Amino acid sequence: KAGVTQTPRYLIKTRGQQVTLSCSPISGHRSVSWYQQTPGQGLQFLFEYFSETQRNKGNFPGRFSGRQFSNSRSEMNVSTLELGDSALYLCASSSLRQGVTDTQYFGPGTRLTVL
Amino acid sequence: GQQLNQSPQSMFIQEGEDVSMNCTSSSIFNTWLWYKQDPGEGPVLLIALYKAGELTSNGRLTAQFGITRKDSFLNISASIPSDVGIYFCAGQIVTLWYNNNDMRFGAGTRLTVKP
Repeated sequence: KAGVTQTPRYLIKTRGQQVTLSCSPISGHRSVSWYQQTPGQGLQFLFEYFSETQRNKGNFPGRFSGRQFSNSRSEMNVSTLELGDSALYLCASSSLRQGVTDTQYFGPGTRLTVL
Repeated sequence: GQQLNQSPQSMFIQEGEDVSMNCTSSSIFNTWLWYKQDPGEGPVLLIALYKAGELTSNGRLTAQFGITRKDSFLNISASIPSDVGIYFCAGQIVTLWYNNNDMRFGAGTRLTVKP
């Protein structure tokens, strides 16, 4: 099975711009979660999508948004970029069956640098 | 969200030595996970634990799910240079009445192995 893929792997933007990151989950996985990783804050949960619906949201401003498509692929968007948005953005997928724990598998991440 | 307390923050060891790291929390988790992350890459799942008291091995790695469900440890035996990286613990809560992929991460243990 192919793993979680994320595109692009690296991105450089300037303050005020917006950015869209893409994630393709493992085949058959319907849950996609997004995380921001920085040296100072560690792994911070952004949001989770399941069957095209956002079901959980972390404590991030409204500039961070996402969506999921019918094929479970997901995108996240950050508008009006700030310097502090520079981070590794990780996507993780899981099958998340009813009432059953299932582990999350991470993609390689997108390294976003805001200048 | 609440992060887990992971220790130690960093370790410098000689090749061949054994390593032990642990995570604790004030919350109860249904699942404990251990990941390894190499620079510039996403975390890779090493071991998943689903039951309190469970002891699971994966090659030279052994992890245990604490009886209280509030802690877990990871041991690496006979370390080798490729064990270098950051190890993260993660605790996952899944409620039976609502599909909720709620995961919390430790801050990571940075392992350096000297040949």
